[in-house]
Amino acid sequence: NAGVTQTPKFQVLKTGQSMTLQCAQDMNHNSMYWYRQDPGMGLRLIYYSASEGTTDKGEVPNGYNVSRLNKREFSLRLESAAPSQTSVYFCASKKPSADTQYFGPGTRLTVL
Amino acid sequence: GQQLNQSPQSMFIQEGEDVSMNCTSSSIFNTWLWYKQDPGEGPVLLIALYKAGELTSNGRLTAQFGITRKDSFLNISASIPSDVGIYFCAGQLRVRRDDKIIFGKGTRLHILP
Repeated sequence: NAGVTQTPKFQVLKTGQSMTLQCAQDMNHNSMYWYRQDPGMGLRLIYYSASEGTTDKGEVPNGYNVSRLNKREFSLRLESAAPSQTSVYFCASKKPSADTQYFGPGTRLTVL
Repeated sequence: GQQLNQSPQSMFIQEGEDVSMNCTSSSIFNTWLWYKQDPGEGPVLLIALYKAGELTSNGRLTAQFGITRKDSFLNISASIPSDVGIYFCAGQLRVRRDDKIIFGKGTRLHILP
């Protein structure tokens, strides 16, 4: 039981490049989330998915797209990376009507 | 949008001291949560609070859900080196399908040798 896994752990991109951050959970959770964490800013919600087939915008969705591929996987895509997207990205999942979000180990992304 | 004000931003304390931090919001929440993040890791839930006025403990940690439902407090007693990290408060307001959790900006706890 691996919990929430994220790949890659580290990534460096040039401005304008695209990439997809992968997230998977093996806890059979319905809800999945993508956050970014910047110094002094805490965790800000980018997108979330309350169930398979649904996605909703969070606080800072601009510049990102998401795909809830199936119940296990929720990917985050940067179509044209910008230096402002340099951050640590966390994926999380939880059961409906539960409070405990389980977080992945994070992806450190640098955009040059 | 909903915002949480968490204070202090950082704390420098001696081992063995007690710690207090708090979170306030302009909005009401149904649930208050406290997380801890160790360096290089994702946040982990410490305490969840469900009712106004509720006081809940988890070992040396005690948290309270404010009567107004707009604030919460976390206390750590007799701090030890492994308490170092970032502590986040989070508020949750479940409305139909909306199940978002809003995080504070965190309190970074340092313990002086």
